[in-house]
Amino acid sequence: DAGITQSPRYKITETGRQVTLMCHQTWSHSYMFWYRQDLGHGLRLIYYSAAADITDKGEVPDGYVVSRSKTENFPLTLESATRSQTSVYFCASSESAGTAGYTFGSGTRLTVV
Amino acid sequence: DQQVKQNSPSLSVQEGRISILNCDYTNSMFDYFLWYKKYPAEGPTFLISISSIKDKNEDGRFTVFLNKSAKHLSLHIVPSQPGDSAVYFCAASARDKIIFGKGTRLHILP
Repeated sequence: DAGITQSPRYKITETGRQVTLMCHQTWSHSYMFWYRQDLGHGLRLIYYSAAADITDKGEVPDGYVVSRSKTENFPLTLESATRSQTSVYFCASSESAGTAGYTFGSGTRLTVV
Repeated sequence: DQQVKQNSPSLSVQEGRISILNCDYTNSMFDYFLWYKKYPAEGPTFLISISSIKDKNEDGRFTVFLNKSAKHLSLHIVPSQPGDSAVYFCAASARDKIIFGKGTRLHILP
């Protein structure tokens, strides 16, 4: 199916565990982004990537790792999950930077217990 | 430091009337401003944008106004419809990323 897909849709994990959220897009967009949405904070940028093998930090990168070995995939890894990382995570892609609207995935709701 | 501010967490408007959502920003380097709409359990969807060199952009029922001297933009929805009930995010872009505000929840009343 064409579009941008995130998996899993829901995830519960324990404090200290490593967890990876997946993001896949079929348009070959150059840019991909990870945001988290929290009550009272809106959408905050975690990491973004301008192309394969190029990544950069956003507003709240601590505790997260990303990679972009292929254009279509942009996984987000929480190396040692903490309760403060309980959130809804959104992946987005865009063919250009900033001026074009991003296309978002449906989100992953992550709960760290 | 919050660069994009939406000071109204929620707004209620009668169906058929005009909805006006406001947004302020602090960074003069932003070159594009965007509005996104979000329904529960879905990702945000792009609604409308405006370049920093313009002061108005219109798309159907949606119009965005930009006042650069005041560092303020607004989204007008006319007429408001029940399906417009959602969270609206104001966003601004600088170079290669977009910064979002905290969102305003719009309730369209019957």
